[in-house]
Amino acid sequence: EVQLVESGGGLVQPGGSLRLSCAASGFTFSSYWMSWVRQAPGKGLEWVANIKQDGSEKYYVDSVKGRFTISRDNAKNSLYLQMNSLRAEDTAVYYCARDHPYSSGWLYKYYFDYWGQGTLVTVSS
Amino acid sequence: DIQMTQSPSSLSASVGDRVTITCRASQSISSYLNWYQQKPGKAPKLLIYAASSLQSGVPSRFSGSGSGTDFTLTISSLQPEDFATYYCQQSYSTPGFFTFGPGTKVDIK
Repeated sequence: EVQLVESGGGLVQPGGSLRLSCAASGFTFSSYWMSWVRQAPGKGLEWVANIKQDGSEKYYVDSVKGRFTISRDNAKNSLYLQMNSLRAEDTAVYYCARDHPYSSGWLYKYYFDYWGQGTLVTVSS
Repeated sequence: DIQMTQSPSSLSASVGDRVTITCRASQSISSYLNWYQQKPGKAPKLLIYAASSLQSGVPSRFSGSGSGTDFTLTISSLQPEDFATYYCQQSYSTPGFFTFGPGTKVDIK
């Protein structure tokens, strides 16, 4: 059974840092792109970042570029999100999700087929 | 950047109703469009990928259609467990840069 379990959320002051973790099990973690997706209280979903299987490619939404860093440790089946210079607008539930590929001609496209339960990050003084 | 819009933002419907939700992309995304369902306090669940492919285990009352910039999610006969918020997501730009629509909340009339 595929499981994604996030941890590391909590209350942090503006300008502070936090590191989120996502422990994966039930599948070959090193074979998949992985993403972080967040949801502010009462708001919609926002994709934050993702990382290639070997960590060689990473993409970020503009609002977190230069402040957040996504990484992974395939030996530990773990995904991470280092969040620095946190702002009130970063307050959200953060989900890790598996990027599942599907073939479209000679291209591969993706959807999120498994999600964790989420971890709440609150940025407030 | 590709922007996604959804309409309506919310709707009220009764059990047994046929429900249609529309999603529009700011540029053509071919058929690279996914749909998710989210219930309060829960993680989203994939319903449809590639505009019209039903994810394994999802009831056949859910269907998707469209290509280019205009897409629809249809629930043929609304069930009590379908009251939730629905999000579209473009995957044209992937492997990076997914974009979600703002969501459509379906509640009980």
